[in-house]
Amino acid sequence: GQQLNQSPQSMFIQEGEDVSMNCTSSSIFNTWLWYKQDPGEGPVLLIALYKAGELTSNGRLTAQFGITRKDSFLNISASIPSDVGIYFCAGLANFNKFYFGSGTKLNVKP
Amino acid sequence: GAVVSQHPSWVICKSGTSVKIECRSLDFQATTMFWYRQFPKQSLMLMATSNEGSKATYEQGVEKDKFLINHASLTLSTLTVTSAHPEDSSFYICSEPAGVGGSEQFFGPGTRLTVL
Repeated sequence: GQQLNQSPQSMFIQEGEDVSMNCTSSSIFNTWLWYKQDPGEGPVLLIALYKAGELTSNGRLTAQFGITRKDSFLNISASIPSDVGIYFCAGLANFNKFYFGSGTKLNVKP
Repeated sequence: GAVVSQHPSWVICKSGTSVKIECRSLDFQATTMFWYRQFPKQSLMLMATSNEGSKATYEQGVEKDKFLINHASLTLSTLTVTSAHPEDSSFYICSEPAGVGGSEQFFGPGTRLTVL
């Protein structure tokens, strides 16, 4: 299936720092979703974006739907140890199919 | 958001046996459910779309005879891995679309399958 290009692949940051990750695609998506997955668990939805240019926040998380509809970014401000995990972007294509990025593994040092 | 459960959460089986994984929608009637497979340190790969009352739609490269999907009701979809082999060991996750026009997706907790 189609995959999205997500970067960076992994990040090692200090507690309190801000984090930014992004996803790009060669195809246009109607919806962008950002998930966090802890080991051995299913992904949990963080933010959903529906319109090109849309900027949405959820606590310390902010995500934007790119104007071209081919990209999205997720920012985490003032990171804390519990932010550790793998973050995935997902794009909604036609026929309600979702495609996932390769994931960004976030490590936060206390 | 929608609540999705999966059973079992983990299973170990011998090579050649079949394993059934259940995915239940607890608070939402879902005519469609998605089944994903995730290998260690990799992303989620869509295997198939389960449709209530009709045949499942499989992604390219996924063997429909090996991964049997049955959407028995609006709240239950099952994935059966037939004649499992070690290379089928993986994390299997179901999800259901929700939100306006099915534009959001909520995942079950996943099932860890280990085939010896």
